[in-house]
Amino acid sequence: EVQLVESGGGLVQPGGSLRLSCAASGFTFSSYAMHWVRQAPGKGLEYVSAISSNGGSTYYANSVKGRFTISRDNSKNTLYLQMGSLRAEDMAVYYCARSPGQEYDYWGQGTLVTVSS
Amino acid sequence: SYVLTQPPSVSVAPGKTARITCGGNNIGSKSVHWYQQKPGQAPVLVIYYDSDRPSGIPERFSGSNSGNTATLTISRVEAGDEADYYCQVWDSIFSVFGGGTKLTVL
Repeated sequence: EVQLVESGGGLVQPGGSLRLSCAASGFTFSSYAMHWVRQAPGKGLEYVSAISSNGGSTYYANSVKGRFTISRDNSKNTLYLQMGSLRAEDMAVYYCARSPGQEYDYWGQGTLVTVSS
Repeated sequence: SYVLTQPPSVSVAPGKTARITCGGNNIGSKSVHWYQQKPGQAPVLVIYYDSDRPSGIPERFSGSNSGNTATLTISRVEAGDEADYYCQVWDSIFSVFGGGTKLTVL
Protein backbone atom coordinates (compact mmCIF):
# COMPACT_ATOMS: atom_id res chain seq x y z
CA GLU A 1 0.00 0.00 0.00
CA VAL A 2 1.35 3.40 -1.02
CA GLN A 3 1.81 5.68 1.96
CA LEU A 4 3.08 9.25 2.17
CA VAL A 5 3.49 10.71 5.64
CA GLU A 6 4.43 14.35 6.09
CA SER A 7 5.99 15.80 9.22
CA GLY A 8 7.79 18.90 10.39
CA GLY A 9 4.99 21.42 10.33
CA GLY A 10 4.37 23.79 13.21
CA LEU A 11 4.38 27.38 14.37
CA VAL A 12 7.14 29.63 13.06
CA GLN A 13 7.68 33.36 13.23
CA PRO A 14 7.70 35.51 10.10
CA GLY A 15 11.16 35.37 8.57
CA GLY A 16 11.83 31.99 10.15
CA SER A 17 12.67 28.62 8.67
CA LEU A 18 11.19 25.16 8.76
CA ARG A 19 11.97 21.81 7.14
CA LEU A 20 9.19 19.50 6.08
CA SER A 21 9.69 15.80 5.47
CA CYS A 22 7.61 13.25 3.59
CA ALA A 23 8.30 9.58 4.31
CA ALA A 24 7.27 7.29 1.46
CA SER A 25 6.55 3.58 1.56
CA GLY A 26 4.80 0.90 -0.46
CA PHE A 27 6.39 1.79 -3.81
CA THR A 28 9.77 2.31 -5.46
CA PHE A 29 10.36 5.88 -4.33
CA SER A 30 13.33 6.45 -6.61
CA SER A 31 11.18 5.83 -9.70
CA TYR A 32 8.81 8.74 -9.20
CA ALA A 33 8.87 12.50 -9.39
CA MET A 34 7.53 14.04 -6.21
CA HIS A 35 5.78 17.32 -5.54
CA TRP A 36 4.73 19.64 -2.74
CA VAL A 37 1.29 21.21 -2.97
CA ARG A 38 -0.15 23.54 -0.34
CA GLN A 39 -3.56 24.74 0.71
CA ALA A 40 -4.06 27.90 2.72
CA PRO A 41 -6.92 27.79 5.25
CA GLY A 42 -10.23 27.83 3.41
CA LYS A 43 -8.50 28.22 0.04
CA GLY A 44 -7.70 26.08 -2.99
CA LEU A 45 -4.74 23.95 -3.94
CA GLU A 46 -1.47 25.61 -4.97
CA TYR A 47 1.55 23.96 -6.57
CA VAL A 48 4.73 24.68 -4.63
CA SER A 49 7.62 22.61 -5.94
CA ALA A 50 8.62 19.47 -7.79
CA ILE A 51 11.68 17.22 -8.02
CA SER A 52 12.57 14.58 -10.57
CA SER A 53 12.97 10.95 -9.62
CA ASN A 54 16.76 11.15 -9.30
CA GLY A 55 16.74 14.62 -7.78
CA GLY A 56 18.59 16.09 -10.72
CA SER A 57 15.86 18.56 -11.66
CA THR A 58 13.89 20.84 -9.38
CA TYR A 59 11.08 23.29 -10.04
CA TYR A 60 9.43 26.01 -7.99
CA ALA A 61 6.37 28.19 -8.10
CA ASN A 62 7.29 31.85 -8.50
CA SER A 63 5.80 32.55 -5.07
CA VAL A 64 8.46 30.45 -3.31
CA LYS A 65 11.42 30.56 -5.67
CA GLY A 66 14.58 31.60 -3.88
CA ARG A 67 13.09 30.90 -0.45
CA PHE A 68 12.23 27.19 -0.57
CA THR A 69 14.43 24.23 -1.53
CA ILE A 70 13.12 20.81 -2.45
CA SER A 71 15.32 17.74 -2.11
CA ARG A 72 15.07 14.00 -1.70
CA ASP A 73 17.05 11.12 -0.25
CA ASN A 74 16.23 8.02 -2.25
CA SER A 75 18.20 5.84 0.17
CA LYS A 76 15.81 6.93 2.93
CA ASN A 77 12.66 7.13 0.77
CA THR A 78 12.15 10.66 1.98
CA LEU A 79 11.22 13.96 0.35
CA TYR A 80 12.07 17.30 1.93
CA LEU A 81 11.07 20.93 1.67
CA GLN A 82 13.36 23.46 3.30
CA MET A 83 11.41 26.67 3.77
CA GLY A 84 13.04 29.98 4.59
CA SER A 85 12.09 33.64 4.92
CA LEU A 86 8.59 32.50 5.76
CA ARG A 87 5.71 34.92 5.31
CA ALA A 88 2.15 35.01 6.54
CA GLU A 89 1.00 33.97 3.08
CA ASP A 90 3.00 30.74 3.35
CA MET A 91 0.68 29.54 6.10
CA ALA A 92 -1.02 26.42 4.78
CA VAL A 93 -1.36 22.68 4.93
CA TYR A 94 1.51 21.25 2.91
CA TYR A 95 0.93 18.01 1.05
CA CYS A 96 3.48 15.81 -0.62
CA ALA A 97 2.19 13.99 -3.68
CA ARG A 98 3.46 11.33 -6.03
CA SER A 99 3.47 12.17 -9.74
CA PRO A 100 3.78 9.26 -12.16
CA GLY A 101 3.09 11.57 -15.08
CA GLN A 102 1.21 14.86 -15.08
CA GLU A 103 -1.22 13.81 -12.38
CA TYR A 104 -0.93 13.32 -8.62
CA ASP A 105 -2.04 9.79 -7.88
CA TYR A 106 -1.25 9.62 -4.16
CA TRP A 107 -1.21 12.35 -1.53
CA GLY A 108 -0.08 12.47 2.05
CA GLN A 109 -2.38 13.63 4.84
CA GLY A 110 -0.65 17.01 5.01
CA THR A 111 1.23 18.97 7.66
CA LEU A 112 0.16 22.40 8.86
CA VAL A 113 2.58 25.32 8.77
CA THR A 114 1.52 28.34 10.80
CA VAL A 115 3.42 31.60 10.34
CA SER A 116 2.70 34.02 13.12
CA SER A 117 4.43 36.15 15.70
CA SER B 1 0.53 32.44 -16.37
CA TYR B 2 -2.15 29.96 -17.30
CA VAL B 3 -5.50 30.37 -15.55
CA LEU B 4 -8.12 27.69 -14.92
CA THR B 5 -11.62 28.92 -14.11
CA GLN B 6 -14.14 26.82 -12.18
CA PRO B 7 -17.58 27.80 -10.90
CA PRO B 8 -17.42 28.27 -7.13
CA SER B 9 -20.39 26.04 -6.52
CA VAL B 10 -22.66 23.49 -8.18
CA SER B 11 -25.78 22.02 -6.63
CA VAL B 12 -27.53 18.83 -7.68
CA ALA B 13 -30.27 16.56 -6.36
CA PRO B 14 -29.44 12.96 -5.48
CA GLY B 15 -29.69 10.66 -8.46
CA LYS B 16 -29.20 13.46 -10.95
CA THR B 17 -26.14 14.38 -13.02
CA ALA B 18 -23.61 16.98 -11.92
CA ARG B 19 -21.33 18.71 -14.39
CA ILE B 20 -18.36 20.72 -13.17
CA THR B 21 -16.53 22.80 -15.73
CA CYS B 22 -12.94 23.95 -15.93
CA GLY B 23 -12.21 26.72 -18.38
CA GLY B 24 -8.85 27.64 -19.84
CA ASN B 25 -7.41 29.03 -23.04
CA ASN B 26 -7.31 26.12 -25.50
CA ILE B 27 -7.47 23.68 -22.60
CA GLY B 28 -8.40 20.99 -25.10
CA SER B 29 -4.74 20.87 -26.10
CA LYS B 30 -3.73 19.98 -22.55
CA SER B 31 -4.32 16.97 -20.33
CA VAL B 32 -6.72 17.66 -17.48
CA HIS B 33 -6.80 15.89 -14.14
CA TRP B 34 -9.54 16.09 -11.50
CA TYR B 35 -9.39 15.73 -7.72
CA GLN B 36 -12.06 15.30 -5.08
CA GLN B 37 -11.41 16.72 -1.62
CA LYS B 38 -13.69 16.16 1.35
CA PRO B 39 -13.42 18.35 4.47
CA GLY B 40 -10.32 17.64 6.51
CA GLN B 41 -8.99 15.13 4.00
CA ALA B 42 -6.31 15.07 1.34
CA PRO B 43 -7.33 15.32 -2.32
CA VAL B 44 -8.09 12.13 -4.21
CA LEU B 45 -7.51 11.68 -7.94
CA VAL B 46 -10.82 10.86 -9.66
CA ILE B 47 -10.05 11.48 -13.35
CA TYR B 48 -6.68 11.72 -15.11
CA TYR B 49 -5.65 12.49 -18.66
CA ASP B 50 -9.05 13.99 -19.42
CA SER B 51 -11.16 10.86 -19.06
CA ASP B 52 -9.31 7.96 -17.41
CA ARG B 53 -10.50 6.67 -14.04
CA PRO B 54 -8.11 5.34 -11.41
CA SER B 55 -8.92 1.97 -9.98
CA GLY B 56 -11.50 2.23 -7.22
CA ILE B 57 -13.22 5.30 -8.66
CA PRO B 58 -16.85 4.55 -9.61
CA GLU B 59 -17.86 4.53 -13.26
CA ARG B 60 -20.27 7.34 -12.37
CA PHE B 61 -17.29 9.68 -12.65
CA SER B 62 -16.29 10.67 -16.18
CA GLY B 63 -14.44 13.46 -17.90
CA SER B 64 -14.18 15.23 -21.21
CA ASN B 65 -12.03 17.99 -22.64
CA SER B 66 -12.41 20.06 -25.79
CA GLY B 67 -11.86 23.60 -26.94
CA ASN B 68 -11.73 25.94 -23.98
CA THR B 69 -13.61 23.75 -21.50
CA ALA B 70 -12.99 20.52 -19.63
CA THR B 71 -15.89 18.89 -17.80
CA LEU B 72 -16.14 16.48 -14.90
CA THR B 73 -19.45 14.63 -15.00
CA ILE B 74 -20.83 12.75 -12.02
CA SER B 75 -23.83 10.59 -12.86
CA ARG B 76 -26.40 9.34 -10.36
CA VAL B 77 -25.03 11.66 -7.71
CA GLU B 78 -24.92 10.36 -4.16
CA ALA B 79 -24.69 12.19 -0.85
CA GLY B 80 -21.12 10.93 -0.48
CA ASP B 81 -20.08 12.84 -3.60
CA GLU B 82 -20.47 16.14 -1.77
CA ALA B 83 -16.98 17.63 -1.80
CA ASP B 84 -14.70 20.20 -3.39
CA TYR B 85 -13.47 19.34 -6.87
CA TYR B 86 -10.32 20.73 -8.48
CA CYS B 87 -9.06 20.54 -12.05
CA GLN B 88 -5.32 20.57 -12.78
CA VAL B 89 -3.11 20.89 -15.84
CA TRP B 90 0.55 21.43 -16.63
CA ASP B 91 1.57 24.67 -18.29
CA SER B 92 5.23 24.62 -19.29
CA ILE B 93 7.07 23.64 -16.07
CA PHE B 94 4.27 24.62 -13.74
CA SER B 95 1.37 22.64 -12.38
CA VAL B 96 -1.78 24.75 -12.29
CA PHE B 97 -4.95 24.16 -10.29
CA GLY B 98 -8.38 25.60 -10.80
CA GLY B 99 -9.93 27.49 -7.93
CA GLY B 100 -12.16 24.60 -6.97
CA THR B 101 -15.89 23.89 -7.11
CA LYS B 102 -17.97 22.98 -4.10
CA LEU B 103 -20.48 20.31 -5.04
CA THR B 104 -23.57 20.37 -2.86
CA VAL B 105 -25.99 17.46 -2.92
CA LEU B 106 -29.43 18.83 -2.14
